[in-house]
Amino acid sequence: AQSVTQPDIHITVSEGASLELRCNYSYGATPYLFWYVQSPGQGLQLLLKYFSGDTLVQGIKGFEAEFKRSQSSFNLRKPSVHWSDAAEYFCAVGLYNQGGKLIFGQGTELSVKP
Amino acid sequence: DGGITQSPKYLFRKEGQNVTLSCEQNLNHDAMYWYRQDPGQGLRLIYYSQIVNDFQKGDIAEGYSVSREKKESFPLTVTSAQKNPTAFYLCAIRRGGDGYTFGSGTRLTVV
Repeated sequence: AQSVTQPDIHITVSEGASLELRCNYSYGATPYLFWYVQSPGQGLQLLLKYFSGDTLVQGIKGFEAEFKRSQSSFNLRKPSVHWSDAAEYFCAVGLYNQGGKLIFGQGTELSVKP
Repeated sequence: DGGITQSPKYLFRKEGQNVTLSCEQNLNHDAMYWYRQDPGQGLRLIYYSQIVNDFQKGDIAEGYSVSREKKESFPLTVTSAQKNPTAFYLCAIRRGGDGYTFGSGTRLTVV
């Protein structure tokens, strides 16, 4: 069955430090991969997506992610975290051959220390 | 997000009552989805619709119902059969190669 795993439930980093959020997926076909960010009580905002091509994708707010097929991973990175990046981050796989359903990981909550 | 509107933002349900959550879009996309979010569980798919007058059950459809009479609208009814309805509900549209856009959500609370 298809699944997405985000191993880290909560991460705390200092402002200005680098960040990497992990995401592993289980899916037999070529995946469509997404990272979303959610502030408390709000909807989800798309940070970036991977459909095909270059495995390093750039997103909004200075985020990037790298697709590694051999590791079934799609980790999110940012070189220097800002206090406003504190939020919950979700990785998701899009099943375009199954009605376009999105399968989400459980989320990683990011806290930023001053 | 622009183009997809969920209402109300907050909703309270009494025991044994049905309530309906609204999701409207003006982006002319066919595919629409309803997700439920609970703390620590990510988002789980309730129902989805790829075209008017057609919809399919997701992973947790029990206790919910939907309709898709118009392309713009995909309302979700939480019925009295849903024993634990307190959650945050999110509606989304699929924008082809641009991915998915989510509404701002409805928080439903049982009182």
